[in-house]
Amino acid sequence: QKEVEQNSGPLSVPEGAIASLNCTYSDRGSQSFFWYRQYSGKSPELIMSIYSNGDKEDGRFTAQLNKASQYVSLLIRDSQPSDSATYLCAVNGRDSGYALNFGKGTSLLVTP
Amino acid sequence: DTGVSQNPRHKITKRGQNVTFRCDPISEHNRLYWYRQTLGQGPEFLTYFQNEAQLEKSRLLSDRFSAERPKGSFSTLEIQRTEQGDSAMYLCASSNYRDRNTEAFFGQGTRLTVV
Repeated sequence: QKEVEQNSGPLSVPEGAIASLNCTYSDRGSQSFFWYRQYSGKSPELIMSIYSNGDKEDGRFTAQLNKASQYVSLLIRDSQPSDSATYLCAVNGRDSGYALNFGKGTSLLVTP
Repeated sequence: DTGVSQNPRHKITKRGQNVTFRCDPISEHNRLYWYRQTLGQGPEFLTYFQNEAQLEKSRLLSDRFSAERPKGSFSTLEIQRTEQGDSAMYLCASSNYRDRNTEAFFGQGTRLTVV
């Protein structure tokens, strides 16, 4: 059973719109949740971290966490073509000694 | 402040050969992680170190793979008797681990092609 699930997409949104990316996880003991952005051929880049239920905002990005539902999401406001990338959800995993477990990623395409 | 550095960036090797990759973490970081990523997949956890101790190793990791971090600074990942299925991007990340809520930062990766 995959521990971290993401819709692979592609998710296509017009420039200026809000992009909503979702992630579910199976390990109820997880405490740390991260969103990474990965451009094609590049390594993952950390963009958001969240540890408590609720929302956390950083610029155009908002991470939302609901531990009861085992659900974490990322909202990107005023999407730009430069936001086109794969977004990886990562959760610390008990089975790996709290190293990060990643989903497969959601591909986002922002069209001009 | 330099980031995580990995060498080489690219490696092409013949099947059956051994390869070794190096990772230099961010200088004050005590945790170092190795991941493998293939096309269309998220990074797959391989192993991690806290200082020089290897604390966790993926159950899926073949015994052809070995990693070291002898002085708690840089780390090496060796793959013996490479197979075509080993072709992937090998990623290193580091963190300054104080509790579970610790952010990890990745290097540029080493892309391995086994021919």
